[in-house]
Formats: sequence, C-alpha cells, structure tokens
Amino acid sequence: DTEVTQTPKHLVMGMTNKKSLKCEQHMGHRAMYWYKQKAKKPPELMFVYSYEKLSINESVPSRFSPECPNSSLLNLHLHALQPEDSALYLCASSQGSGGENIQYFGAGTRLSVL
Amino acid sequence: RKEVEQDPGPFNVPEGATVAFNCTYSNSASQSFFWYRQDCRKEPKLLMSVYSSGNEDGRFTAQLNRASQYISLLIRDSKLSDSATYLCVVMAGYNKLIFGAGTRLAVHP
Repeated sequence: DTEVTQTPKHLVMGMTNKKSLKCEQHMGHRAMYWYKQKAKKPPELMFVYSYEKLSINESVPSRFSPECPNSSLLNLHLHALQPEDSALYLCASSQGSGGENIQYFGAGTRLSVL
Repeated sequence: RKEVEQDPGPFNVPEGATVAFNCTYSNSASQSFFWYRQDCRKEPKLLMSVYSSGNEDGRFTAQLNRASQYISLLIRDSKLSDSATYLCVVMAGYNKLIFGAGTRLAVHP
C-alpha cells in the first residue's frame, strides 16, 4: 500500500470556495510533487518541491497555490477554481537525490468543481 | 510530436497469453525510464524500472534501446489481475516525469 497519504479522498467545491488538499509522507523523501490527472489522460506535473523549496512550476494558474510546511507535508490551496479544474489530484514523493529518484504516488483527491 | 508515445490499445488478450507494449520517447538526453501500472480510479504504481541491459521481474520483462529511443514491456502468462493501464514514463531532468498516454490491457478468461 502507498506510504503517501492524501486527504480528503473526495472534495466537492463551488467556484467561490477556498479549500486545501493535503499530502503527507514519512519515508524521509526530500522531493514532493503535485500532479493533475483528467479522465483517460496521463498525470500532468504541476509543481515540484525539492528540499522544501519550489523548484518547478509548470505554468500553473495562480488559483492553485502550493505550500510545503516541512519535508513531510505538502499542501495545495485552491481558490476560485473553474469547472474544468475538476480532476484527480495526485501527490507523489521521491528521495530527491541520488539513485533513480523513483516517485511514489498517493491515492489522490478526486475534486469536483461546481 | 509527443515526448512519450504509446499505442493506447486496448489490448484484449486471453489468460495465459503473452503481450508486448512499446513506447518511444523524443528526448535523447533522458536518463531514467519506468513502467507504471494504473488501475481504474487508482493511483499509478511503479511496475519496474527499465535499463539498457534489460530487466526481468517474474512474468514481466522490460527493455530499453537508447539508439532507437524505444522502450518495451513484455508480459508472459497473462493473468486477469494484469488488466490495467500501463504507463511508459521517462524522466526529463532530475525530478520531472513525462508520462505516455498509457496502454490499456484487458485480460479475459
């Protein structure tokens, strides 16, 4: 089973709401990621944090705001989303240095924007 | 041209069949390669890493051809539980994974 835990599993929000997605890992990994996955499509990278610093932002709209409070936690703050933002949001983590840097995924948060 | 290309399938095969998936990638500087498996409405899970020397894990064999920028996955003696989408994944830069669109496999009795 995955050692990357995401909450909540499901989220329904209106376009004016503010909500947050949470991700936690206790594998000592130093890199954490947010991906967005639409139905029948592969995951698309949104953000990468390496050693608690944002290292990659794939031109994601500012209504998505990532935060990395410490090396085990990663949040994604959501504000003024659009219905087309409805998707599965996946968090992943990896060692962050050396080796193959294999990424392990959480079970995801299924988001619906009404 | 997509960075990672896969045949989307679906591949419909009977139990016990051998099935092969192929994948090509465009960035010759890519260093790490993987096959992930994703079940319906679940997260991607690492199936295996892919090396130039080829690697085998039970019924699964992966191969990388750097000259042709080509990756393959062979599944022998297919089981019903192998039914899933298989994602070819290439690492572009140290922390950035590029996913292929996935190949859907359906194994039937």
